[in-house]
Amino acid sequence: QKEVEQNSGPLSVPEGAIASLNCTYSDRVSQSFFWYRQYSGKSPELIMSIYSNGDKEDGRFTAQLNKASQYVSLLIRDSQPSDSATYLCAVYDNNNDMRFGAGTRLTVKP
Amino acid sequence: DTGVSQDPRHKITKRGQNVTFRCDPISEHNRLYWYRQTLGQGPEFLTYFQNEAQLEKSRLLSDRFSAERPKGSFSTLEIQRTEQGDSAMYLCASSLETNYYGYTFGSGTRLTVV
Repeated sequence: QKEVEQNSGPLSVPEGAIASLNCTYSDRVSQSFFWYRQYSGKSPELIMSIYSNGDKEDGRFTAQLNKASQYVSLLIRDSQPSDSATYLCAVYDNNNDMRFGAGTRLTVKP
Repeated sequence: DTGVSQDPRHKITKRGQNVTFRCDPISEHNRLYWYRQTLGQGPEFLTYFQNEAQLEKSRLLSDRFSAERPKGSFSTLEIQRTEQGDSAMYLCASSLETNYYGYTFGSGTRLTVV
């Protein structure tokens, strides 16, 4: 079982819709969770972090965490073509290293 | 501070040659990480330093790979006797000594072994 799992996609949504990206992790003691955005050919860019169960909102982005289910999600409201990228879920594991999922490729169609 | 810098941006080398990459972290960050990323995959952890001490190395890091951070500032990653399977993006990241803020990545070094 991979430590951090994501659907690879591609996920395609129309402009203005809500994009929902999901991630599960295997290490129950993980405490910190992150979402990175990676444009093609570029390095990952941190967009959200979450540490407690529930929702955390930042502009059009909402991160959701459910530690009992070992599940993290990212919602992007009012999706824009500029949101088209690969979204990486990352989890700090028990060794204090950050482990990444393979990423979900999102395409927002005008 | 301009963020995390990596050099070179691109490197093409012949199989069997040695290559060295450099990373300059954000100055106040005492942790520095190396990751490798291939097409369609997320970054894979290679190794990390806290100040000058190398605290962990992945099993992915074969004997041909070595990393240093001699004065706790910049770091180098050397690959000896490169193989075609080493072709990847090598990412450096830095962070404060806490898992609260996440990492800041450099632009990466894209290695192509021909």
